[in-house]
Amino acid sequence: GENVEQHPSTLSVQEGDSAVIKCTYSDSASNYFPWYKQELGKRPQLIIDIRSNVGEKKDQRIAVTLNKTAKHFSLHITETQPEDSAVYFCAAMEGSQGNLIFGKGTKLSVKP
Amino acid sequence: NAGVMQNPRHLVRRRGQEARLRCSPVKGHSHVYWYRQLPEEGLKFMVYLQKENIIDESGMPKERFSAEFPKEGPSILRIQQVVRGDSAAYFCASSPAANTGELFFGEGSRLTVL
Repeated sequence: GENVEQHPSTLSVQEGDSAVIKCTYSDSASNYFPWYKQELGKRPQLIIDIRSNVGEKKDQRIAVTLNKTAKHFSLHITETQPEDSAVYFCAAMEGSQGNLIFGKGTKLSVKP
Repeated sequence: NAGVMQNPRHLVRRRGQEARLRCSPVKGHSHVYWYRQLPEEGLKFMVYLQKENIIDESGMPKERFSAEFPKEGPSILRIQQVVRGDSAAYFCASSPAANTGELFFGEGSRLTVL
C-alpha cells in the first residue's frame, strides 16, 4: 500500500521568511496530493491540493510542487505570518477509493 | 449548509466500557472515512464506508472495533471494552464521490479512557 514520508517534523521560521515542507510517496499510481493545516484541537482543513497532471499550483502565499518521477511533492509558504503556525500534513490518495494516507505532520512555528 | 458533524466532541470512558462515536456527513455525501489521531501524531486511516456497506476496513483493529453507516442516520464507530491505548482523537470525513480524494473533516471526537 501507499506510504507517505514527511520532513521536517518541526520547522521554525521568522515572520516574513519562507517555509518549505517536503513529502515523498511510494505508490506511483497515486494521483492526488492534498495538504491539510491543523490548529491545536481543531479539525484538519484542506489548504491546497494538486493532481498528477500538473507540476505546480499556487494560491496566494501557498504553492505546491509535484515531481512524479521522483515521487515527491512540496508545500511552499511565502511571507509567513504568525497565524500560519500550525501542524501541516501532506497526504496521497491510495488507489481509487478516495482514501488518503497521511504523513506524520510538520509543526510550523512562525516567530513574530 | 452544515459540514461534517461529529458527536460527542469529548467522551470519557473507564477501561472495559463501550465508546460509541457518531458522524453525520455533509448533506448529499454518501462516502464516510474514519481516522484516528494519537497525540502528536498524524492521521491513521481506519475504515471507509458507503451507505450500508463497509468498503475498506484494512486500518481497523480486528477486535473490539466496528463501524457502520446505515441507510438512515449517522455513521457510527463503536469501540467495545476500551483500553487506555484507545485514547485518541477520532476524525470522520465525508466525500461526495469515491475517487476524488476530497475529504471534508469533522471536528473530531476526543476519547479519554481512564
